[in-house]
Amino acid sequence: DTGVSQDPRHKITKRGQNVTFRCDPISEHNRLYWYRQTLGQGPEFLTYFQNEAQLEKSRLLSDRFSAERPKGSFSTLEIQRTEQGDSAMYLCASSLVGSDSTDTQYFGPGTRLTVL
Amino acid sequence: RKEVEQDPGPFNVPEGATVAFNCTYSNSASQSFFWYRQDCRKEPKLLMSVYSSGNEDGRFTAQLNRASQYISLLIRDSKLSDSATYLCVVNPGTASKLTFGTGTRLQVTL
Repeated sequence: DTGVSQDPRHKITKRGQNVTFRCDPISEHNRLYWYRQTLGQGPEFLTYFQNEAQLEKSRLLSDRFSAERPKGSFSTLEIQRTEQGDSAMYLCASSLVGSDSTDTQYFGPGTRLTVL
Repeated sequence: RKEVEQDPGPFNVPEGATVAFNCTYSNSASQSFFWYRQDCRKEPKLLMSVYSSGNEDGRFTAQLNRASQYISLLIRDSKLSDSATYLCVVNPGTASKLTFGTGTRLQVTL
């Protein structure tokens, strides 16, 4: 499968614990995005990378959230001191930006986080 | 006001019906527009991009009216497999981040 992959697919944790999610984009894609989706809502933008540089962060991304893309390939999203309000589906997307590309974003299957 | 507004539905239609979804967006500087489809507990998947000239892909037709900041999706001859949530999506023009509507749920029945 050459699509976007995410790991784990499901995570249940207790309030106050730290969690880390991983996203592997489509191999030649230079942009990687993180979104969060709660029940009954559309995905909301959190942050994005172009190669290894984190270029924008949403106001939704509190200081408990941190994202990295150290080698410009896979990315990790860490949530520290989780709260029940962090329960959501965390979606990763990737795209190819260039002179002859359409910058279409392709989404991974998501990581569903439940904070007890 | 939400950046992208959609009627959440649900729209319950019989197989073979034609159904139309509408969407409005608030940022007049928005650059590009899309419809994504999302099945229950799955990731969003691109259905089609939307152009000012209108575009068609089989049974699906999308239209954009920049003056009214309005986007539409028409599905003809609905199939059971069209049952899903349809997300109206706008790129506000900054760094390609997407802004999603809440989605319109479609249920096609026999």
